[in-house]
Amino acid sequence: NAGVTQTPKFQVLKTGQSMTLQCAQDMNHNSMYWYRQDPGMGLRLIYYSASEGTTDKGEVPNGYNVSRLNKREFSLRLESAAPSQTSVYFCASSEVPGSDEQFFGPGTRLTVL
Amino acid sequence: GDSVTQMEGPVTLSEEAFLTINCTYTATGYPSLFWYVQYPGEGLQLLLKATKADDKGSNKGFEATYRKETTSFHLEKGSVQVSDSAVYFCALSDGLNNNDMRFGAGTRLTVKP
Repeated sequence: NAGVTQTPKFQVLKTGQSMTLQCAQDMNHNSMYWYRQDPGMGLRLIYYSASEGTTDKGEVPNGYNVSRLNKREFSLRLESAAPSQTSVYFCASSEVPGSDEQFFGPGTRLTVL
Repeated sequence: GDSVTQMEGPVTLSEEAFLTINCTYTATGYPSLFWYVQYPGEGLQLLLKATKADDKGSNKGFEATYRKETTSFHLEKGSVQVSDSAVYFCALSDGLNNNDMRFGAGTRLTVKP
């Protein structure tokens, strides 16, 4: 099992460019999450999907959109990147909504110039 | 809202030293508490958890006790190894909605031979 995979690992964008971060899990989990990790601030939830076909905003959703493509895949899109979105992005999954153990991908380091 | 505060790092110890990383929380209800670990270049992994007051979570020689009276969940290990070098995150969930897991800022531990 690969667990949770994310692509790309690194990305550099110019202000105003768009991109999509991809996430997939092979554990048959129902819930998936997108976090951003900034120095001194821990992880903050951007969006989550409690189950296939549903998505909800987390703590810091502005500037992002998500798509739960199917049970395995949950993508995060930046329509018009800004320097404030420079961060490390983590995707995670859990077996059910409310499960206390989340499984994390290796992260995507994004720099917006 | 609910929040977690953990000691700032970085922490540098010699091999076989005793480790304590402090974590305190603020919550209105009865949260579950967690320690996650992030090894270099990887995503977060659940290290241990406790779901109610006075519970002790333990794993790989690490321990933490849920102290409601002091709202704390300090991480301890009696004898650290070089392989314990990582970033450690304290986290809580409100017990009702694990889609809203709150993380501390993280503490970087470096263990030297």
